[in-house]
Amino acid sequence: NAGVTQTPKFQVLKTGQSMTLQCAQDMNHNSMYWYRQDPGMGLRLIYYSASEGTTDKGEVPNGYNVSRLNKREFSLRLESAAPSQTSVYFCASYRATDTQYFGPGTRLTVL
Amino acid sequence: GENVEQHPSTLSVQEGDSAVIKCTYSDSASNYFPWYKQELGKRPQLIIDIRSNVGEKKDQRIAVTLNKTAKHFSLHITETQPEDSAVYFCAERGGSSNTGKLIFGQGTTLQVKP
Repeated sequence: NAGVTQTPKFQVLKTGQSMTLQCAQDMNHNSMYWYRQDPGMGLRLIYYSASEGTTDKGEVPNGYNVSRLNKREFSLRLESAAPSQTSVYFCASYRATDTQYFGPGTRLTVL
Repeated sequence: GENVEQHPSTLSVQEGDSAVIKCTYSDSASNYFPWYKQELGKRPQLIIDIRSNVGEKKDQRIAVTLNKTAKHFSLHITETQPEDSAVYFCAERGGSSNTGKLIFGQGTTLQVKP
């Protein structure tokens, strides 16, 4: 039981490049989330998926897209990366009456 | 809108002292209040949580109290140790949320000096 996993762990992009961050959970959770964490800014919700087949915007969705591929996987795509998207990205999952469990994070630098 | 205010932003204590972090929320229907600990370079991990039908919960050296009338909840760490040094986040889940969505506070950096 690996919990929530994320790939890659680290990534460096040039401005304008695109990439997809992958997240998977093996806990049979319905809901999944993508956060970004900047120094002094806490955790800000980018997008979430309450259940397979649905996605909704969070607090800071601009510049991102998501795909809930199936119940296990939830990906985050940056179509044209910008330096302002330099951050640590965390994926999390949730099951009713429980709490959110976080993945190990992806450290992204956009030059 | 939904909002969680967390104070203080930084807290420095001597080993063995107590530490208290307080959060205030705005949604009166909120029903779930977790606390996460994040060590440097690591993921946030749940350390304790409380639901709206309970006023206090303890787990060894940590405790959480909830005052629904005043809409605030607090984390108490007693007999602090250097390994308690980390960033602590409070969060709340609105009563109308069936998505599990959490609203996080800004975080408190706790430093325990040996």
